[in-house]
Amino acid sequence: DSGVTQTPKHLITATGQRVTLRCSPRSGDLSVYWYQQSLDQGLQFLIHYYNGEERAKGNILERFSAQQFPDLHSELNLSSLELGDSALYFCASSVEAGGPSGELFFGEGSRLTVL
Amino acid sequence: AQKITQTQPGMFVQEKEAVTLDCTYDTSDPSYGLFWYKQPSSGEMIFLIYQGSYDQQNATEGRYSLNFQKARKSANLVISASQLGDSAMYFCAMREPYTGNQFYFGTGTSLTVIP
Repeated sequence: DSGVTQTPKHLITATGQRVTLRCSPRSGDLSVYWYQQSLDQGLQFLIHYYNGEERAKGNILERFSAQQFPDLHSELNLSSLELGDSALYFCASSVEAGGPSGELFFGEGSRLTVL
Repeated sequence: AQKITQTQPGMFVQEKEAVTLDCTYDTSDPSYGLFWYKQPSSGEMIFLIYQGSYDQQNATEGRYSLNFQKARKSANLVISASQLGDSAMYFCAMREPYTGNQFYFGTGTSLTVIP
């Protein structure tokens, strides 16, 4: 158990719909990262939040948005869903010690299927 | 240029044998961290091992060791005495302060352990 909690674990929805994925980081971790992993693909970085503020953006579509709340949990909102959005979405948290150490702790992922 | 390169899409190893998974990286930052993650078929991402750029010795964690060759910019993962449970995808990653301590992941290597 990494200590990172993601909900829901599985989600099936239709094209054009909107979903929200939720993440609670490990206790004490201020950073939350979101990644997308499509079938048999590597990890695509979406966005990084630190203590409520956006730190970096990756290849995140305009239809996607995220935020980190004062209690440090984060939500990833996916709207106008398309078939190609079907993927495993990971949340990860990390201690930001000011240097390159500190691994990412991943949640179990939210598997989204768009029909 | 790719920050992390994993050139072996798939590898096979006999049970109880050792296997090396290749990883090369690209950075101009003198300070960086290197990580390996395992992703079994169940989907979760499991942290295996970390190597800091200033660490003098190669990192080891049980049957995992990281063959760190700084001049060649390589960080190969060595798994000794392979077990059937080692069959999984393996991802190499780097974290560099120069780009805000962001993580960069390789495309992964699929390892299959043959009984």
